[in-house]
Amino acid sequence: AQSVTQLGSHVSVSEGALVLLRCNYSSSVPPYLFWYVQYPNQGLQLLLKYTSAATLVKGINGFEAEFKKSETSFHLTKPSAHMSDAAEYFCAVTPVGGADGLTFGKGTHLIIQP
Amino acid sequence: DAGVTQSPTHLIKTRGQQVTLRCSPKSGHDTVSWYQQALGQGPQFIFQYYEEEERQRGNFPDRFSGHQFPNYSSELNVNALLLGDSALYLCASSFTGLGNTEAFFGQGTRLTVV
Repeated sequence: AQSVTQLGSHVSVSEGALVLLRCNYSSSVPPYLFWYVQYPNQGLQLLLKYTSAATLVKGINGFEAEFKKSETSFHLTKPSAHMSDAAEYFCAVTPVGGADGLTFGKGTHLIIQP
Repeated sequence: DAGVTQSPTHLIKTRGQQVTLRCSPKSGHDTVSWYQQALGQGPQFIFQYYEEEERQRGNFPDRFSGHQFPNYSSELNVNALLLGDSALYLCASSFTGLGNTEAFFGQGTRLTVV
């Protein structure tokens, strides 16, 4: 069975600072990996995805993530935080082929300090 | 394109009652997945429908059932509601040829069981 661990239920950074949200997965083979963002009382919006192509993935709103097989990680980064980045972020995994349901982590709440 | 639409947006039900939630997928999508998101948690996969049949199911009891119609829209039914069923229910649609690599989520239905 696959699983996802997001380290840190809350992360606080200053506006303009580097954002780093951590995600580690457990899977017998490298899966497809995703990062989603959720604003209050909203659904999920896809930020970026890894589907066995380039290991460095660029997404929307200046976010990027790097797939590291040796570390079973898929950390999300953004060079400079903006107030509008404050939201809940979820890492998710699905087997290669992507026909199965997504398995989500518990989420990380990103707080941006002015 | 209206994207994925869910109805109703909010619902209050009494313990023991039955509820039906509805989802219209994004234009061109033929697969619908349902997720339950409890407060402060990541979404959990309930089941997925394709070609009007349940293709995959997560770890949810039989009280949770679904249906997909010929126009690809879907319903989620929950019988004998428990207080613990209170959650945000998310619908995601995708095109089976792309799997979850292009899943789009609706805004969700907030179910409160009292």
